[in-house]
Amino acid sequence: ETGVTQSPTHLIKTRGQQVTLRCSSQSGHNTVSWYQQALGQGPQFIFQYYREEENGRGNFPPRFSGLQFPNYSSELNVNALELDDSALYLCASSSTGGEKLFFGSGTQLSVL
Amino acid sequence: GENVEQHPSTLSVQEGDSAVIKCTYSDSASNYFPWYKQELGKRPQLIIDIRSNVGEKKDQRIAVTLNKTAKHFSLHITETQPEDSAVYFCAASLSSGNTGKLIFGQGTTLQVKP
Repeated sequence: ETGVTQSPTHLIKTRGQQVTLRCSSQSGHNTVSWYQQALGQGPQFIFQYYREEENGRGNFPPRFSGLQFPNYSSELNVNALELDDSALYLCASSSTGGEKLFFGSGTQLSVL
Repeated sequence: GENVEQHPSTLSVQEGDSAVIKCTYSDSASNYFPWYKQELGKRPQLIIDIRSNVGEKKDQRIAVTLNKTAKHFSLHITETQPEDSAVYFCAASLSSGNTGKLIFGQGTTLQVKP
């Protein structure tokens, strides 16, 4: 069984740039959720994708967007990066109707 | 809005002692309450979870209790070991039926001294 994988592991960007983060879900899982974890904080829900559609969104602006592909992998895109976007971005997958989330190791994004 | 409060923020115990971490949630529709352990630089890992139709669940040295009326749930770790040292997060589902969407607490840093 393959776990959740994310790429890249680390990324440095400057304010105003755009970034794309990638996630491959655990085998057998068709739902992907994205979370932002600021230093010393708990993860915050960004949005979830199911059947290639956004299925719920947290309190994040529209410059945070995503995609899910037919193989259930997913991308998180952030436009017009701000300093406060610096955080660990976690992807988690789950099965249909499944409550248990399995997290990837995350992408550490630094915005300078 | 929905909120999960977690206490204490840091907890230091001697090896072999018990550790208790408490959380309260605001959304009465939440029905799923997982606990995650996150070691430094690693991914959050699910260690135990409980649904709202159950009051208590145990798995070896860890247990979770839920008081739906008071909107409280707690993690209990007995016979703590140095490898239990990590940050622990509680979470509550974002209303009923919203699988995979969780509100997390702020985390508790547990230090187990040998």
